[in-house]
Amino acid sequence: GENVEQHPSTLSVQEGDSAVIKCTYSDSASNYFPWYKQELGKGPQLIIDIRSNVGEKKDQRIAVTLNKTAKHFSLHITETQPEDSAVYFCAASLRDLIFGKGTKLSVKP
Amino acid sequence: DTAVSQTPKYLVTQMGNDKSIKCEQNLGHDTMYWYKQDSKKFLKIMFSYNNKELIINETVPNRFSPKSPDKAHLNLHINSLELGDSAVYFCASSSRGTKEKLFFGSGTQLSVL
Repeated sequence: GENVEQHPSTLSVQEGDSAVIKCTYSDSASNYFPWYKQELGKGPQLIIDIRSNVGEKKDQRIAVTLNKTAKHFSLHITETQPEDSAVYFCAASLRDLIFGKGTKLSVKP
Repeated sequence: DTAVSQTPKYLVTQMGNDKSIKCEQNLGHDTMYWYKQDSKKFLKIMFSYNNKELIINETVPNRFSPKSPDKAHLNLHINSLELGDSAVYFCASSSRGTKEKLFFGSGTQLSVL
């Protein structure tokens, strides 16, 4: 089955800096790669996603890139703000979503 | 209006008890899920269910069972609770056309003493 590795497990940045979170997946047949943000005490919320026929997608300060050959994808957050502090999960899907283990992002004011 | 709601938010119980967590979605979705999040924040799928098919993660003990009275509800029943069942349980839903876009509830924190 699918296996998703996510790095780093924790990430601390200064407000205004960029943050990058990386994931790799094992099943080359996976075709959908979402990113979820989980704030304290809440459920995960979809923030951006990408399909295997696209290499990059951007939505304001967040962007996701996908390298199918290497089977890895990344989340990029620019101009980070304190409200970006949360746990971020990548996932890969062929049938059901398989999640990475999460990255706790802390943005220091 | 809450899209995916689950109750209770907190559940504290003794080992060996039987408990249920309720989930309702008002999004008109046809597929619902239960996920378990352990103390290290790892999210693992337990079940996915639509009106035709129940898919069970093979690692889930048979003490856990989903019950769906209708398309908008998927409850989770747990028998003979064990200490290791302590976790946060999330309900989620999606539509068949965009099955990967999950909408999660706010979670139920289960503590087994």
